Amino acid sequence: KQEVTQIPAALSVPEGENLVLNCSFTDSAIYNLQWFRQDPGKGLTSLLLIQSSQREQTSGRLNASLDKSSGRSTLYIAASQPGDSATYLCAVGGSNYQLIWGAGTKLIIKP
Amino acid sequence: DVKVTQSSRYLVKRTGEKVFLECVQDMDHENMFWYRQDPGLGLRLIYFSYDVKMKEKGDIPEGYSVSREKKERFSLILESASTNQTSMYLCASSSRDGQRPQHFGDGTRLSIL
Repeated sequence: KQEVTQIPAALSVPEGENLVLNCSFTDSAIYNLQWFRQDPGKGLTSLLLIQSSQREQTSGRLNASLDKSSGRSTLYIAASQPGDSATYLCAVGGSNYQLIWGAGTKLIIKP
Repeated sequence: DVKVTQSSRYLVKRTGEKVFLECVQDMDHENMFWYRQDPGLGLRLIYFSYDVKMKEKGDIPEGYSVSREKKERFSLILESASTNQTSMYLCASSSRDGQRPQHFGDGTRLSIL
């Protein structure tokens, strides 16, 4: 059974720093991997989706990588800003299009 | 802009009531999902649907049912609400091929008293 782990559970960094969020999964037979952002009391916003055949995706200051063989993905945030403060979740998609979710990393960017 | 709309942001109901949570998407998506989100437990899938009048159980279907009479609308029903169903409920939709991300509504914060 696929399991998704995100470490750390919480992270606090000063504004302007580059940072990396980690996501690991136990079964490499994935369809895709998605990164989402959730602001307090709100729904989820999709940030990046990496297909199983891809190694990385980029959107603005965000870069997500995927290494299926090691069961890992990272979300790199460049030049962090206070507005990046949120909970970041990764989710692994299987062949049935369902997502298996990590518990999230709560990110706080200090001004 | 694509949109998933949940009928209520906050809802308070009493134990034993029948509760309806409604979700509508305007993206012509085939797949629709209902999750609940609880602190420390993350997102858990309750039910999902791949097509009109079609439903599949997720990880925690007990105490819930769903209805999908039209492609754009997916309803979650709590047959007899209980206090342990107090939670944040999130609806999502996606295209059938799964090549694009799921789109989420803003969530319904449901309290059962």
